Amino acid sequence: NAGVTQTPKFQVLKTGQSMTLQCAQDMNHEYMSWYRQDPGMGLRLIHYSVGAGITDQGEVPNGYNVSRSTTEDFPLRLLSAAPSQTSVYFCASSSDRGFHNSPLHFGNGTRLTVT
Amino acid sequence: EDQVTQSPEALRLQEGESSSLNCSYTVSGLRGLFWYRQDPGKGPEFLFTLYSAGEEKEKERLKATLTKKESFLHITAPKPEDSATYLCAVQGDNYGQNFVFGPGTRLSVLP
Repeated sequence: NAGVTQTPKFQVLKTGQSMTLQCAQDMNHEYMSWYRQDPGMGLRLIHYSVGAGITDQGEVPNGYNVSRSTTEDFPLRLLSAAPSQTSVYFCASSSDRGFHNSPLHFGNGTRLTVT
Repeated sequence: EDQVTQSPEALRLQEGESSSLNCSYTVSGLRGLFWYRQDPGKGPEFLFTLYSAGEEKEKERLKATLTKKESFLHITAPKPEDSATYLCAVQGDNYGQNFVFGPGTRLSVLP
């Protein structure tokens, strides 16, 4: 019963470096999303996907890229890291695409520091 | 624009001292209000969904209620293991399957 798995748990980057945060779920959920969590600001939606091959922007998409080639995986790419991207990143998924009341299942996060 | 605020920002209780956390929301066409619990270093864990004003849900020492403008999470006789950050989120007509989260209330229960 893995649920939503995120790797790595911690990462330190220098400004300008790129990297990919991995997210995989084994619940056959159609909907997947990425959030960042900053102190006092709550979880903010970066990108989301309602199924393989379909992605869309959330509230704070700049500097991030996503793709969804399979139902299970939804990687988040930082194109050129900036100190403002220092945050904790959460991947979340839910079932029933088109049914709006399904709760999110979260991974345990990736803590990213950009120096 | 959909908005969620939570109060207080932090709350310290003695074990057994009951209290309530508040979640105030502004949303166009509420489809659901969700409560999550988040432990340090972990992702949020789902607690409750409330769909309409007047609805209540209970789980152990927690009880969630909903009005047209706010939701309360009542904690009865809390224990130290109830210490966590409690997050509130809404789904509305503006954002489809997406959620708008509040900043959370950090609860500490002292033995």
